Amino acid sequence: AQSVTQLDSHVSVSEGTPVLLRCNYSSSYSPSLFWYVQHPNKGLQLLLKYTSAATLVKGINGFEAEFKKSETSFHLTKPSAHMSDAAEYFCVVNPYNNDMRFGAGTRLTVKP
Amino acid sequence: ETGVTQSPTHLIKTRGQQVTLRCSSQSGHNTVSWYQQALGQGPQFIFQYYREEENGRGNFPPRFSGLQFPNYSSELNVNALELDDSALYLCASSFSRGWDTEAFFGQGTRLTVV
Repeated sequence: AQSVTQLDSHVSVSEGTPVLLRCNYSSSYSPSLFWYVQHPNKGLQLLLKYTSAATLVKGINGFEAEFKKSETSFHLTKPSAHMSDAAEYFCVVNPYNNDMRFGAGTRLTVKP
Repeated sequence: ETGVTQSPTHLIKTRGQQVTLRCSSQSGHNTVSWYQQALGQGPQFIFQYYREEENGRGNFPPRFSGLQFPNYSSELNVNALELDDSALYLCASSFSRGWDTEAFFGQGTRLTVV
């Protein structure tokens, strides 16, 4: 079965330092992978997606993620955190039947 | 803003009652999916509608049902409400049912069952 595991429930960084949010996936074939962000009282917003093209995917707001098949990982990174990045982040795998599987989420806190 | 609107934004119901949640999809989108997000958890797939037909269903009981209308708006109906149905219900629309298609989410309806 296709699924994702977000390895950290909470990540805290200082403003201006790098962000790393970890995600491992399980899939019997090459999946479609996404990262979504959810700010308080707002809907989910797509940050980036991987669909078997380039393994390094660039998204909005300076985020990027690298698909590593050998490690079954799709970690989200950003070189320099901003206060506005504080939110809940979800890694998502989308099997062919469109049953999008969300991870449990990682809450990112950015300290001034 | 994604152009996906959900109503109502908040709702309080009593156990055993029935509820209908509504979703207007983004212009040009023919696919709508519904998700349940319990507090502190990731969203869970309930079902998807493509051109008025159900196109996949998650692990939810039959008392969760839906409709999609010719204008591609959608309803989620939940019968015999239980306390555990308290959650944020999210609607997402996309322009196709393709597995690599981006889904645009509404802000959700927060349902509280007492």
